[in-house]
Amino acid sequence: KNQVEQSPQSLIILEGKNCTLQCNYTVSPFSNLRWYKQDTGRGPVSLTIMTFSENTKSNGRYTATLDADTKQSSLHITASQLSDSASYICVPHPTGTYKYIFGTGTRLKVLA
Amino acid sequence: GAVVSQHPSRVICKSGTSVKIECRSLDFQATTMFWYRQFPKQSLMLMATSNEGSKATYEQGVEKDKFLINHASLTLSTLTVTSAHPEDSSFYICSARPGGVSTDTQYFGPGTRLTVL
Repeated sequence: KNQVEQSPQSLIILEGKNCTLQCNYTVSPFSNLRWYKQDTGRGPVSLTIMTFSENTKSNGRYTATLDADTKQSSLHITASQLSDSASYICVPHPTGTYKYIFGTGTRLKVLA
Repeated sequence: GAVVSQHPSRVICKSGTSVKIECRSLDFQATTMFWYRQFPKQSLMLMATSNEGSKATYEQGVEKDKFLINHASLTLSTLTVTSAHPEDSSFYICSARPGGVSTDTQYFGPGTRLTVL
């Protein structure tokens, strides 16, 4: 069964600090892995997308890494801002289907 | 580009009534649209996949007679929650996949908060 586990479940950090969110998945084979940001009461917004052959992808202060051998991905947020408070969702996309498999998400709270 | 809208953003209804939620792709044609449900502090759960002009495919455990999906055009899909009950209260999100290109990218709408009293 395809599963996606994210850790930590929730995280509180001070503004300006860095943080790293983890994603472990059993989806195989997969064509790509996405990280989404979801603000409370809003739909998910794509942050990064990596194919199975890519190791890292950056989007401003967001940097995602992927280790296809260990089936792990991480999202690193640099110099956090109050607006980074949201849920971050890891989505490895299985090959051969249009369906997404969503991770459990990490709820990040950035405090002033 | 690639904007998906949903209407309404919030709806409150009485138990037993039906509610229709619209999902529109504003600047592209969507061959496939997806409907998700999200309960508080949980991740998105796929309810059904709809292709323009054909019947929707529902995920296991989702009642197709309760959640009616219509994808009548390449830019519009609707989800009707029939005879809504308080347990149907949730956040409903749609997504759309552009047609005509080989892509698995889905663009998500802003969601609709349904509260059934």
